[in-house]
Amino acid sequence: KQEVTQIPAALSVPEGENLVLNCSFTDSAIYNLQWFRQDPGKGLTSLLLIQSSQREQTSGRLNASLDKSSGRSTLYIAASQPGDSATYLCAAYNFNKFYFGSGTKLNVKP
Amino acid sequence: GAGVSQSPSNKVTEKGKDVELRCDPISGHTALYWYRQSLGQGLEFLIYFQGNSAPDKSGLPSDRFSAERTGGSVSTLTIQRTQQEDSAVYLCASSLPRGLAGEYNEQFFGPGTRLTVL
Repeated sequence: KQEVTQIPAALSVPEGENLVLNCSFTDSAIYNLQWFRQDPGKGLTSLLLIQSSQREQTSGRLNASLDKSSGRSTLYIAASQPGDSATYLCAAYNFNKFYFGSGTKLNVKP
Repeated sequence: GAGVSQSPSNKVTEKGKDVELRCDPISGHTALYWYRQSLGQGLEFLIYFQGNSAPDKSGLPSDRFSAERTGGSVSTLTIQRTQQEDSAVYLCASSLPRGLAGEYNEQFFGPGTRLTVL
């Protein structure tokens, strides 16, 4: 069974810092990996979707990379802002099954 | 509609009662997914529909849980004889169909239904 782990569980940084969130998965037979953010009491907002054949995806200040062979993905956030404070989740998509990590809770201090 | 909608937004029920949760996907999204998120826990995948069929139902926690989708659109998740451990936020997502190489498309989530079983 796929296991998805996110480290660290929580992260607090001052505004303006660049930061990296980590996601690891045990079964490399994935079709996709997707990153989300979840704000308190709200649903999930899609950030980036990486196909298994891709190495990275970029959107604005966000860059996500995927290394299937090592079972790792990273989400890079450039020039962090207080509005980036949220829980960030990664999800690995296998055949007819979808596995989420427990998330990294990010706090960006003004 | 513009996004995935779910109803009700909140449901409080007594132990042993049946509940129905509804998901209305984004128009044109033939793939639909159900998850649940218990307090302080990660998202747990329940079931996935491609069109009206669910290829794998093994993610459903017990035989008290069932889901159906008709007309390739609205889906209902039914929990029979609810238990306190069923209390959670139930989330629905939808996406475009899988690509030719089997890859999934971006999932878009609804706001969820918060279920409380007393």
